[in-house]
Amino acid sequence: NAGVTQTPKFQVLKTGQSMTLQCAQDMNHNSMYWYRQDPGMGLRLIYYSASEGTTDKGEVPNGYNVSRLNKREFSLRLESAAPSQTSVYFCASSEAPRYEQYFGPGTRLTVT
Amino acid sequence: GESVGLHLPTLSVQEGDNSIINCAYSNSASDYFIWYKQESGKGPQFIIDIRSNMDKRQGQRVTVLLNKTVKHLSLQIAATQPGDSAVYFCAVSPADGLTFGKGTHLIIQP
Repeated sequence: NAGVTQTPKFQVLKTGQSMTLQCAQDMNHNSMYWYRQDPGMGLRLIYYSASEGTTDKGEVPNGYNVSRLNKREFSLRLESAAPSQTSVYFCASSEAPRYEQYFGPGTRLTVT
Repeated sequence: GESVGLHLPTLSVQEGDNSIINCAYSNSASDYFIWYKQESGKGPQFIIDIRSNMDKRQGQRVTVLLNKTVKHLSLQIAATQPGDSAVYFCAVSPADGLTFGKGTHLIIQP
């Protein structure tokens, strides 16, 4: 039982490049989330999927898109990376909204 | 929306003492509250949660107190140990996602 897994662990992009961050959970959870964490800050919600087939914007959605591929997988795409998107990205899952969220180990992204 | 305030960015306590970490929130409609622990280089780890129909909940060595009147949340850690050293975040749910505070770095003095 791996919990929440994220790939890659580290990534360096040039401004304007695109990439997709992958997230998968094996806990049969209905809800999945993407957060970013900047130095000295708490986590900020980018997008979430309350259930398979639905996605909604969080606090900081600009510059990102998401896909809930199936119940297990939720990906985050940066279409044209900007230095302001340099951050650590965490994926999380929960049984339902307003339940305990389990977090993955994070992806450290640097945009130069 | 919701904003979550931090009372202290750093808290230093003696090993064996009790630790109290505080948090304030703004949205009175928030109904789910949760504390996470984050160690360096890792994802947040669940500690304890509480819903708005309760004002106190206890776990192993931890207690969460919720005061809805003043919109205040606290985490108490009993008999603090070196392994408790980490950043602690409160998070609040006025909607389907979580709004996090900025975190308190708990430092354990020997």
